[in-house]
Amino acid sequence: QKEVEQDPGPLSVPEGAIVSLNCTYSNSAFQYFMWYRQYSRKGPELLMYTYSSGNKEDGRFTAQVDKSSKYISLFIRDSQPSDSATYLCAMNTGGFKTIFGAGTRLFVKA
Amino acid sequence: DAGVTQSPTHLIKTRGQQVTLRCSPKSGHDTVSWYQQALGQGPQFIFQYYEEEERQRGNFPDRFSGHQFPNYSSELNVNALLLGDSALYLCASRANYGYTFGSGTRLTVV
Repeated sequence: QKEVEQDPGPLSVPEGAIVSLNCTYSNSAFQYFMWYRQYSRKGPELLMYTYSSGNKEDGRFTAQVDKSSKYISLFIRDSQPSDSATYLCAMNTGGFKTIFGAGTRLFVKA
Repeated sequence: DAGVTQSPTHLIKTRGQQVTLRCSPKSGHDTVSWYQQALGQGPQFIFQYYEEEERQRGNFPDRFSGHQFPNYSSELNVNALLLGDSALYLCASRANYGYTFGSGTRLTVV
């Protein structure tokens, strides 16, 4: 079993839809949770960073962490074609090593 | 302010050869991590350098080695290349929260 599981998709939604992206994990020692966006032929770009459980909102993006269920989510409101990318969840225990999910490919249709 | 820069952007090598990839971290960042990202997968942690020393290593063989210089730039060396080493190699420098990634070096082993 992988430490971090993420549905690879692809996920296709119409413009303006609310997008929900999710990851589950097995290591209860994870304390820091991140979401990255990766466009084709580019490196990942940090979108959201959350410590421990709870919600965090930044513009159209909301990150949720439920440590009791070992489940994290990223919500994108009013999705735009420019949001089409691969979304990677990532987490670590506070040390140097960050574990990434496999990424979910998102397509937002105009 | 330049972000993380990597060179070269693309590289084709033959099995058994050796390769050196280079990374300059974002200004002010002193910690550099290297990741391998196979097609359709999330980045896999190779190792991290801080104060010119390898601080932590992922599940990669000794064929993968690195170095960090006094100016914080870093090199990733891979010896005895295998076809399975074909991937996008990402360098990331550590910010207060999360990492800033470069655009990567696409290595193809033939």
